[in-house]
Amino acid sequence: EIVLTQSPGTLSLSPGERATLSCRASQSVSSTYLAWYQQKPGQAPRLLIYGASSRAAGIPDRFSGSGSGTDFALTISRLEPEDFAVYYCQQYGSSITFGQGTRLDFK
Amino acid sequence: EVQLLEFGGGLVQPGGSLRLSCAASGFTFTAYAMSWVRQAPGKGLEWVAGISGSGGTTYYADSVKGRFTISRDNSKNTVYVQMNSLRAEDTAVYYCAKGGRYDSYGDWGQGTLVTVSS
Repeated sequence: EIVLTQSPGTLSLSPGERATLSCRASQSVSSTYLAWYQQKPGQAPRLLIYGASSRAAGIPDRFSGSGSGTDFALTISRLEPEDFAVYYCQQYGSSITFGQGTRLDFK
Repeated sequence: EVQLLEFGGGLVQPGGSLRLSCAASGFTFTAYAMSWVRQAPGKGLEWVAGISGSGGTTYYADSVKGRFTISRDNSKNTVYVQMNSLRAEDTAVYYCAKGGRYDSYGDWGQGTLVTVSS
């Protein structure tokens, strides 16, 4: 099973700042099969990025994904108040696993 | 518009059984694999099971293999998960999602809570 480790566990930033979230895999993941989700309390996850760098429909262009192999990142260029949430990475190339999440908090 | 509505959650004793349903609309149901993903209280996401569009192929997480069975009724646009021999660690919100083993999940239901407790 591919284990995904997200860092940091919590990231405290202010609106307008840039956020970079990391997802490291225990073995190589095809870029085709790496996704990022946003989840707010009491809501289902929302797909942000698939294929490591493709934005899902309706996702603002301040969200971008990058990386390959075992190291992937989600970047939010300028944080908006509605971006403070928990973010998960997922790999779906070898069974399906999720990272443990990064909480993005107001500073 | 894609809609996924889960039903069937509730309180069940350890060792008991429960069947969850997910009614789908807004897309050609038979063209898509479907999956169940769960989230224990305060924890992260865990993929549980998936089924192909025809229903002919199913796949499971090791944590539920042999206890859970995923199925679908394409005449009713509904996917199910039969959960047997439930344990306290199966307590979670269960989401159905449009997509299968090699998909990201762009559409999710609202989730249904399963609590396993005596």
